[in-house]
Amino acid sequence: AQSVTQLGSHVSVSEGALVLLRCNYSSSVPPYLFWYVQYPNQGLQLLLKYTTGATLVKGINGFEAEFKKSETSFHLTKPSAHMSDAAEYFCAVRPQAGFQKLVFGTGTRLLVSP
Amino acid sequence: GAGVSQSPSNKVTEKGKDVELRCDPISGHTALYWYRQSLGQGLEFLIYFQGNSAPDKSGLPSDRFSAERTGGSVSTLTIQRTQQEDSAVYLCASSLNGGLANQPQHFGDGTRLSIL
Repeated sequence: AQSVTQLGSHVSVSEGALVLLRCNYSSSVPPYLFWYVQYPNQGLQLLLKYTTGATLVKGINGFEAEFKKSETSFHLTKPSAHMSDAAEYFCAVRPQAGFQKLVFGTGTRLLVSP
Repeated sequence: GAGVSQSPSNKVTEKGKDVELRCDPISGHTALYWYRQSLGQGLEFLIYFQGNSAPDKSGLPSDRFSAERTGGSVSTLTIQRTQQEDSAVYLCASSLNGGLANQPQHFGDGTRLSIL
């Protein structure tokens, strides 16, 4: 079965600092990978996805993620944090065929201080 | 509308009552999903509809939970004889075609259900 591990339930950064949110997946075959962001009292918004092709994926709001098959990782980064980035971030995987549900990590809450 | 619409946004009810949660997917999306988000459990898949095919109900936690999708569009999630552990945010998502795994799922804002 596929699973996703997000290291760190909370990550704190200062405004302007690098953001790094970690995601590792467990799968015998590389799945499709997604990052979602959730602001308070809202649903999940897609930040970016990796399906095929270039392993460095750029998303909205200046975020990007790199798929590393050898490390089974899909870490999310942003060079410079803004206060508005404070939210909860979820990594999710989905197999390339078969089963249609997304399997989510437990989420990482990003705190940004001035 | 442009996005996935869920109603009500909040629902408070007494233990033992039945509740219905509604989801209106993005127009033209054939796949519809229900998830539950609760403290300590994260995001759990509940049920998936693809077009007119039989739904994948593998995530429903008990027989008190059921869902239907009428006309391939609007979906209703029903919880009978609610229990306190049913308190959670229920999220609905839709995608263009559930058979294409690279299609992202688009989420509504959820229904926050509180059981007293």
